[in-house]
Amino acid sequence: DAGVTQSPTHLIKTRGQQVTLRCSPKSGHDTVSWYQQALGQGPQFIFQYYEEEERQRGNFPDRFSGHQFPNYSSELNVNALLLGDSALYLCASSLVRDLSGELFFGEGSRLTVL
Amino acid sequence: GQQLNQSPQSMFIQEGEDVSMNCTSSSIFNTWLWYKQDPGEGPVLLIALYKAGELTSNGRLTAQFGITRKDSFLNISASIPSDVGIYFCAGRNNAGNMLTFGGGTRLMVKP
Repeated sequence: DAGVTQSPTHLIKTRGQQVTLRCSPKSGHDTVSWYQQALGQGPQFIFQYYEEEERQRGNFPDRFSGHQFPNYSSELNVNALLLGDSALYLCASSLVRDLSGELFFGEGSRLTVL
Repeated sequence: GQQLNQSPQSMFIQEGEDVSMNCTSSSIFNTWLWYKQDPGEGPVLLIALYKAGELTSNGRLTAQFGITRKDSFLNISASIPSDVGIYFCAGRNNAGNMLTFGGGTRLMVKP
């Protein structure tokens, strides 16, 4: 039973570029959430996708956008990269009808913006 | 917005000692969770608390959901070297599955 998988694991971009990060949820899960974790800090919620729609959004600018596909996998896109976007981006999956709401996290994609 | 204050920020203890860390919030949460994150990995859930006043154990770990719903603590008894890592508290309210995380407690254990 595969857990949450993310790609790429590491990447380096320069300011102004665009990046796409990918996530496959744990088998059987239908909801994907994205979190940004800056160095030395706790994760911060970016947004959540369910049924291919953005359901909830944290305090992030429109440069951050996402998508969920029919197979429940998801992408996070960040446009016009800033140095401050350097962080570990975590994907978490869950099952909407699981009342515990337990999230399973992937290992993350570490983005460095130069 | 909601903020979670987690303390201490770091701890350096001797193997075998007990550890206590806590988390306070300016807002009420309906669920409190404790995660551990090892280097290069995502957070892993340790304990989930769903009811004010609830005390839950998972092996050597014990966590409590504060009566006011604005705080929680995590205790680790008889620490071992593999307890090393960063521990995060997280709160969730009824507005979906969004988690608000604390800043983390970095635990170092000296053999």
